[in-house]
Amino acid sequence: NAGVTQTPKFQVLKTGQSMTLQCAQDMNHNSMYWYRQDPGMGLRLIYYSASEGTTDKGEVPNGYNVSRLNKREFSLRLESAAPSQTSVYFCASSDPQETQYFGPGTRLLVL
Amino acid sequence: QKEVEQDPGPLSVPEGAIVSLNCTYSNSAFQYFMWYRQYSRKGPELLMYTYSSGNKEDGRFTAQVDKSSKYISLFIRDSQPSDSATYLCAGRSNYQLIWGAGTKLIIKP
Repeated sequence: NAGVTQTPKFQVLKTGQSMTLQCAQDMNHNSMYWYRQDPGMGLRLIYYSASEGTTDKGEVPNGYNVSRLNKREFSLRLESAAPSQTSVYFCASSDPQETQYFGPGTRLLVL
Repeated sequence: QKEVEQDPGPLSVPEGAIVSLNCTYSNSAFQYFMWYRQYSRKGPELLMYTYSSGNKEDGRFTAQVDKSSKYISLFIRDSQPSDSATYLCAGRSNYQLIWGAGTKLIIKP
């Protein structure tokens, strides 16, 4: 079992560029999440998906879009990157007991 | 005011010491609480969770919740250098976890 995988591990973008962060889980979990983690701020929820075909906004959704492609995959898209989106992005999935399992993260730098 | 407050540290203690990590929260609707451990440049991993007030023990780790004062603690006995990490507390309400900012712990050999 790979658990939760994320690609890429690291990315540098210029302001205004777009990109998609990929996430996949092989634990057959229904719920998946995207977080960003910034120094001193902890984990902040961007979007989540309670099941295939549904997505909902979290605490900080502005500037992001998501797609729950199927039960395994949940992608996060930045349409026009801004320096304020420089962060570490984590994808997670949760089991029926609501324990969240995290991927290794994507470090994004927007210049 | 953030819903979950946590001192960012760093907290530096000698190997073998008892470590106390703490969080306070403001949301009375939190149904249960979790502690996650995050090593540098890794994703968080679940360490312990507890549903109610009182203590829960797992090896060298004890999680404590005091709902009357809205205070949660994680104690680590016989601390080891491998315990050096950032410890995140979280409260769960409905569909999501609300996270503290994390406390960086350093265990000195």
